[in-house]
Amino acid sequence: AQSVTQLGSHVSVSEGALVLLRCNYSSSVPPYLFWYVQYPNQGLQLLLKYTSAATLVKGINGFEAEFKKSETSFHLTKPSAHMSDAAEYFCAVNQAGTALIFGKGTTLSVSS
Amino acid sequence: DSGVTQTPKHLITATGQRVTLRCSPRSGDLSVYWYQQSLDQGLQFLIQYYNGEERAKGNILERFSAQQFPDLHSELNLSSLELGDSALYFCASSVDPAGGQETQYFGPGTRLLVL
Repeated sequence: AQSVTQLGSHVSVSEGALVLLRCNYSSSVPPYLFWYVQYPNQGLQLLLKYTSAATLVKGINGFEAEFKKSETSFHLTKPSAHMSDAAEYFCAVNQAGTALIFGKGTTLSVSS
Repeated sequence: DSGVTQTPKHLITATGQRVTLRCSPRSGDLSVYWYQQSLDQGLQFLIQYYNGEERAKGNILERFSAQQFPDLHSELNLSSLELGDSALYFCASSVDPAGGQETQYFGPGTRLLVL
């Protein structure tokens, strides 16, 4: 069965610092991977997705993620954090065209 | 705005009661998914419908049921409610789930509180 593991339930950075949110997947076949963001009291918004077209995926709001098969990872990065990036971030894998299987989420805090 | 609408936004009810959550997918999307988000279980898939037919089931309790109507809107029915059913319930939609790479667009959710 497919699954994802997000390392670190809470990450704190200073404004302007690098953001790195970690996600490792477990899949017996090449997966489709997603990063979603959830702002307080809102639904989930897609940041980016990997569909095997390119290993480096660029998303919205300056975020990007790199698919590394050898490390079974799909870490999310942003060169310079902004206060508005404070939110909860979820990594997810699609299971056979049906359900998204989500990680437990990482809360990103950004301090000034 | 994802284009997925959910009503009501908030729902407060008592144990043993029954409630219905409603979802309208994005225009053109045929597939609807229901997810439950709780502090202890995280985000969990409940059920998926595609063009009116049940496509997949996840960790959905027998007390819960869903359907998708001809106009493609969907309803999630929760009965014999327990305190542990308190959670945020999300609906998501996609055009065609085949293959798994399609984006699922999420609604704002319905926050259910069972007292």
